[in-house]
Amino acid sequence: KAGVTQTPRYLIKTRGQQVTLSCSPISGHRSVSWYQQTPGQGLQFLFEYFSETQRNKGNFPGRFSGRQFSNSRSEMNVSTLELGDSALYLCASSLNTGGAYEQYFGPGTRLTVT
Amino acid sequence: AQSVTQLDSHVSVSEGTPVLLRCNYSSSYSPSLFWYVQHPNKGLQLLLKYTSAATLVKGINGFEAEFKKSETSFHLTKPSAHMSDAAEYFCVVSDNTNAGKSTFGDGTTLTVKP
Repeated sequence: KAGVTQTPRYLIKTRGQQVTLSCSPISGHRSVSWYQQTPGQGLQFLFEYFSETQRNKGNFPGRFSGRQFSNSRSEMNVSTLELGDSALYLCASSLNTGGAYEQYFGPGTRLTVT
Repeated sequence: AQSVTQLDSHVSVSEGTPVLLRCNYSSSYSPSLFWYVQHPNKGLQLLLKYTSAATLVKGINGFEAEFKKSETSFHLTKPSAHMSDAAEYFCVVSDNTNAGKSTFGDGTTLTVKP
């Protein structure tokens, strides 16, 4: 089975712009979660989608949003980019929603905001 | 509410010696616990998981962890370190009763000396 894929792998944007990141989960996985990883804050949970519905949300401002399509692919959008949004954004898929299910991570999208 | 504390931010061992990475957790409910490994510029890979079955959990690459409810710990061990084990390790707690929200520890960087 193909793993979790994320596109693009690297992205450079300017403050004030917006960006959309894409994640394709493992075939058959219906839950997709997004995380932000920075050296200062570590790994922080953004949100989780299951069957096109947002099931959980972390403590991020409304500039961070996401959606999931009927084929379970997910996109994450960040509007009005700030320098502090520079990070590695990781997507993870799992078979089902619920804490007992392990997550499979993609390689991440490295976003640099200048 | 749930939280996880990785007690050491850096651990250094010599090749062939045992590895111990410590993790304490807090959870209001019966948790699931995971260890993930992240090599440089890569996504996270699942090492092992505990979901209320056997308290001693065996994972990939010779790693294992023991769930100790009385001590609220889930320490990761390996009898003999290999150079390829050098990476960052994350302990993760998830609430089985809540849909898919995971809390990551701050990570432990493992260095393996020849």
